[in-house]
Amino acid sequence: ETGVTQTPRHLVMGMTNKKSLKCEQHLGHNAMYWYKQSAKKPLELMFVYSLEERVENNSVPSRFSPECPNSSHLFLHLHTLQPEDSALYLCASSPALLSNTIYFGEGSWLTVV
Amino acid sequence: AQKITQTQPGMFVQEKEAVTLDCTYDTSDPSYGLFWYKQPSSGEMIFLIYQGSYDQQNATEGRYSLNFQKARKSANLVISASQLGDSAMYFCAMREGNGGFKTIFGAGTRLFVKA
Repeated sequence: ETGVTQTPRHLVMGMTNKKSLKCEQHLGHNAMYWYKQSAKKPLELMFVYSLEERVENNSVPSRFSPECPNSSHLFLHLHTLQPEDSALYLCASSPALLSNTIYFGEGSWLTVV
Repeated sequence: AQKITQTQPGMFVQEKEAVTLDCTYDTSDPSYGLFWYKQPSSGEMIFLIYQGSYDQQNATEGRYSLNFQKARKSANLVISASQLGDSAMYFCAMREGNGGFKTIFGAGTRLFVKA
């Protein structure tokens, strides 16, 4: 069982919908990440949080809005997405921001119709 | 700028044989870490092995070993005695050491293990 849990595992949403992806880590880590994995692109880092503060925002469109209420939870709020946003969204955590190893969740498969 | 290149989109290997997955990288930072991850069809990214740029010996973890050739900037993954469960996508990744926390990933190699 992974220490990083993502829900929902699968989501289909219309372009006008508002939905959220949730990530929870049970590892006591201080850093959490959102990655996007599209079909034909390398894994892309979207957001990084360290001790609940955002430290990185990689030019991600504002229709993606992250939220980190505490060090164990990370959300990705989705609003008016485009079909090209369909992808696997992976949450990850690490003990600290500069830790050698990142632990990933199973991902949330998002389809925008 | 950092860059990770995996030139093999797909690889086939016979069960019980060894296979090498290629990875080359580019960085100007003398301190960095190299990683391999396995991604089964379920989507989860599973950490396999880590090699630091200053490590003198090649990393090994069970059936996985990392063939680290610093001068050539390559970090190939060797899987010995392949098993059917090894069929998955494999990603090479790098993180720069001096204050860097971003991990960048290669495009991945899909490995098919044949019975």
